[in-house]
Amino acid sequence: DADVTQTPRNRITKTGKRIMLECSQTKGHDRMYWYRQDPGLGLRLIYYSFDVKDINKGEISDGYSVSRQAQAKFSLSLESAIPNQTALYFCATSSVSGANVLTFGAGSRLTVL
Amino acid sequence: AQRVTQPEKLLSVFKGAPVELKCNYSYSGSPELFWYVQYSRQRLQLLLRHISRESIKGFTADLNKGETSFHLKKPFAQEEDSAMYYCALISGGSTLGRLYFGRGTQLTVWP
Repeated sequence: DADVTQTPRNRITKTGKRIMLECSQTKGHDRMYWYRQDPGLGLRLIYYSFDVKDINKGEISDGYSVSRQAQAKFSLSLESAIPNQTALYFCATSSVSGANVLTFGAGSRLTVL
Repeated sequence: AQRVTQPEKLLSVFKGAPVELKCNYSYSGSPELFWYVQYSRQRLQLLLRHISRESIKGFTADLNKGETSFHLKKPFAQEEDSAMYYCALISGGSTLGRLYFGRGTQLTVWP
């Protein structure tokens, strides 16, 4: 069973549509993150949350929003998707007791036409 | 500001040859550095941490504060080492920090 589960795994949508990517974890970690991966640009942090009441912007938060519904759930929303948001999105979790080593989900591939 | 630089997007070696993936960082405090690896069709996963000073799958990485580098090395590359490798830095210490990644190096080990 996956420790960090992302849904959907693949999504094709049109410009202007609202999209939500969901992440749930069974590791009991307090910290959760959303990254996007683009060829040649590596992984860039979109948002992160150190506990349920804590939300922080990352390097590239414009055009995105997040919700930490519970310790185990962290969702990423694109309010009005645009083509340059086409990317592979990763959710990750960590804990201070685990030395902040990240556990990643399998990724959600989003294509915006 | 924190920066992690991996100067090589692509690196190819033959099986049995030594391999070195370069990582340089820019950070004003005491960094914590990591190497993460993404094998084909697998999730990103931790390869090693500088604090652990361990060897994983034959890879080692030494933190050189003078050169601000954390290069990943393996004396004899294997085909199964072919993967994308990311160097990462955590800022602000473990309790406060978040992880910054370099752009990655795609390693191909030819038979």
